[in-house]
Amino acid sequence: AQKVTQAQTEISVVEKEDVTLDCVYETRDTTYYLFWYKQPPSGELVFLIRRNSFDEQNEISGRYSWNFQKSTSSFNFTITASQVVDSAVYFCALNPGYSTLTFGKGTMLLVSP
Amino acid sequence: EAQVTQNPRYLITVTGKKLTVTCSQNMNHEYMSWYRQDPGLGLRQIYYSMNVEVTDKGDVPEGYKVSRKEKRNFPLILESPSPNQTSLYFCASSPLYRDSGREQYFGPGTRLTVT
Repeated sequence: AQKVTQAQTEISVVEKEDVTLDCVYETRDTTYYLFWYKQPPSGELVFLIRRNSFDEQNEISGRYSWNFQKSTSSFNFTITASQVVDSAVYFCALNPGYSTLTFGKGTMLLVSP
Repeated sequence: EAQVTQNPRYLITVTGKKLTVTCSQNMNHEYMSWYRQDPGLGLRQIYYSMNVEVTDKGDVPEGYKVSRKEKRNFPLILESPSPNQTSLYFCASSPLYRDSGREQYFGPGTRLTVT
């Protein structure tokens, strides 16, 4: 069975602070994909990143960066210099390769001015 | 434009009145799925389909039906809705080929209230 744990239910920061959202996953599959999605207050799900299990390179995209560590089954997401527009619920998700996506329960990020 | 569409976006209904939420994708994806999102529970899969005429239960299928008669459409049917089915529903689609990365494309969501 697959499982994704986002232990942080809610995080509050002040603008310009850095913040890291944790994601720990469990799977017995050797090939799998990990995702992060953003859900702003408007409700839609916005795809942020995909990482496959064979690629442990960290990735940076503007203020966003992702740290994938297979040894600890973690795929953490860091926002540098947070902005109010980053306020949203962030979901980590796992796909073991046959397209069934398992989501974590989400982390609500509140960025105040 | 590649997209997944859902209709209606908002629906208020009464207990027991059958309803259908439509989902359509224009990307020729084999895989389609329905999720419900509830506070504190994240997104949970209701049903999924690997291809036409092939459907399978997800984690929370009770009270729902689906059909996949055409590749592009995957309607969600609530034969006798109950208040515990009040939720935000998402349809998603994905290609199935090996190097697709399995990224799922989500519809805009349908907010359902059952009174």
